[in-house]
Amino acid sequence: GAVVSQHPSRVICKSGTSVKIECRSLDFQATTMFWYRQFPKQSLMLMATSNEGSKATYEQGVEKDKFLINHASLTLSTLTVTSAHPEDSSFYICSARALAWMTDTQYFGPGTRLTVL
Amino acid sequence: GQNIDQPTEMTATEGAIVQINCTYQTSGFNGLFWYQQHAGEAPTFLSYNVLDGLEEKGRFSSFLSRSKGYSYLLLKELQMKDSASYLCAVRDSNYQLIWGAGTKLIIKP
Repeated sequence: GAVVSQHPSRVICKSGTSVKIECRSLDFQATTMFWYRQFPKQSLMLMATSNEGSKATYEQGVEKDKFLINHASLTLSTLTVTSAHPEDSSFYICSARALAWMTDTQYFGPGTRLTVL
Repeated sequence: GQNIDQPTEMTATEGAIVQINCTYQTSGFNGLFWYQQHAGEAPTFLSYNVLDGLEEKGRFSSFLSRSKGYSYLLLKELQMKDSASYLCAVRDSNYQLIWGAGTKLIIKP
């Protein structure tokens, strides 16, 4: 299947700092990428949909000024958590939409575990 | 509203067969996905069904009935490494993925 990478895999930061997470599609072009957050023992929660070259679409309740998303190319999307607080500690996962003959599938990156002290 | 239902937890024995069901009510349908997620890791893609019927891929098979809003994931010859959560997701008319809460599968020796 298609490969999606995410960096960093783990980050610990102090409250008030900003953290940038990168999501790359390694062997395909992704016009659409998705950012999810997952708290322990809970299901995935979609935060935003990122389309290359346009502004991201945020889900209800997700602050767009706090979670900045940039999708500058067909293989890279970034999520920046600005002024992070302990309640932002979570598992952040990106996925990329891969379109091919007869398939239209999302592939996930390995995730980034964010801990805000 | 949109809704995906799957059992919270299931237990099965190593070497056996288990079927994980998923029922859905969504605004439109553009495919159903099954993902496997081990604890502390991101989901990995297992299968995609958009037409009715059974899709077989090695030890895993996925079935879809669009008229019934129903799918199942069938795992054969269970191995201990199959212990994980299995997520059912449906793509709606807006091409958004609607996620189920996941089924935690526990495999016992």
